[in-house]
Amino acid sequence: DTEVTQTPKHLVMGMTNKKSLKCEQHMGHRAMYWYKQKAKKPPELMFVYSYEKLSINESVPSRFSPECPNSSLLNLHLHALQPEDSALYLCASSQHSRISTDTQYFGPGTRLTVL
Amino acid sequence: SQQGEEDPQALSIQEGENATMNCSYKTSINNLQWYRQNSGRGLVHLILIRSNEREKHSGRLRVTLDTSKKSSSLLITASRAADTASYFCATDAPQGAQKLVFGQGTRLTINP
Repeated sequence: DTEVTQTPKHLVMGMTNKKSLKCEQHMGHRAMYWYKQKAKKPPELMFVYSYEKLSINESVPSRFSPECPNSSLLNLHLHALQPEDSALYLCASSQHSRISTDTQYFGPGTRLTVL
Repeated sequence: SQQGEEDPQALSIQEGENATMNCSYKTSINNLQWYRQNSGRGLVHLILIRSNEREKHSGRLRVTLDTSKKSSSLLITASRAADTASYFCATDAPQGAQKLVFGQGTRLTINP
């Protein structure tokens, strides 16, 4: 199984809501990533988890809170978002977090709209 | 900070023609990867080329890497409508940070 799944596919939320994005992989990968992608732009890294520990936080605002409950699951908790946070949120995984050798496998993304 | 720049930003060709996309980067790299993204979907890894490699093939894809010019090209031969997508190059970030940095991408349209 070489699939990364993400739920929900679409999410619309108000600025006062709390919601969560979920990502799951069963490839035995030990690194998982959250990316944010605006329209017609490349993905931008937000967080990296390596062996279930947060290894990179790209100075993401605290209204985004990642969580890695186990090696297969990655969550992104959202609270008090702004309309400019509307974007496609992509989850990815790789065998390890060695950028020099590892391929990243991406999920289909969650399209988030903040009203 | 941005590592990769892609050229052209958009490319439209007829089915059956070859498509060439270029990527330039600024600092030394360990490898360079190419990804494809269909509209509004996740990215799919196409090919990885290491800094000591000059050319790599995978099916209808041919990737070249010129480290002296800090550039790479992706050639898709005998294009098909299903090749319509955005193509991104990605490199490891400067200063050894363990993350990928993506170029701006080329939007490829294959016309039937």
